[in-house]
Amino acid sequence: AQSVTQLDSQVPVFEEAPVELRCNYSSSVSVYLFWYVQYPNQGLQLLLKYLSGSTLVKGINGFEAEFNKSQTSFHLRKPSVHISDTAEYFCAVSDPKRGSTLGRLYFGRGTQLTVWP
Amino acid sequence: DAGVTQSPTHLIKTRGQQVTLRCSPKSGHDTVSWYQQALGQGPQFIFQYYEEEERQRGNFPDRFSGHQFPNYSSELNVNALLLGDSALYLCATNSYNEQFFGPGTRLTVL
Repeated sequence: AQSVTQLDSQVPVFEEAPVELRCNYSSSVSVYLFWYVQYPNQGLQLLLKYLSGSTLVKGINGFEAEFNKSQTSFHLRKPSVHISDTAEYFCAVSDPKRGSTLGRLYFGRGTQLTVWP
Repeated sequence: DAGVTQSPTHLIKTRGQQVTLRCSPKSGHDTVSWYQQALGQGPQFIFQYYEEEERQRGNFPDRFSGHQFPNYSSELNVNALLLGDSALYLCATNSYNEQFFGPGTRLTVL
């Protein structure tokens, strides 16, 4: 089974500052990687995903993440945050299965990003 | 195109009761997964249904059961509710390599 570690439970930053949210996963074999965002009292929205190919993945709202296989990491970054980015962010991993749709996701415990004016 | 919908949005039950939560998938999606998200935690996988059969199951007791209907909608049933079952229950439906989440059902067990 996979495990996902999000190293920071809370990240406070000022508006327009850069931010990095860290994520490490346990398995070194082939994986699919995801970042989701959750606003208060809502479900999860996909920010970006890595399935294969380029290790730098760009997502919605100016976010990007870099897959590092040797360090089993998938850190999320944004060069300049806005107040509206305040939310909970979850890293997730799944084991790809050939010829099959996406199976279970293993989630980290989340990182609360708070952007201050 | 409606996204993933869940009902009800909120539910209050007492210990020992039974509950049924419902999920309607995004159009064209035939695979449904259920997750439990306790307060301050990440979602935990309960099970996944495909072609009306349970395809994968997480580490949850048999009190948690499910069903998928021919129209791909799904139900999650929890029997003999415990205080620890209080959580946000999320349904997700698949495109091939992506899961789309519904808004969740907030279950409170008193």
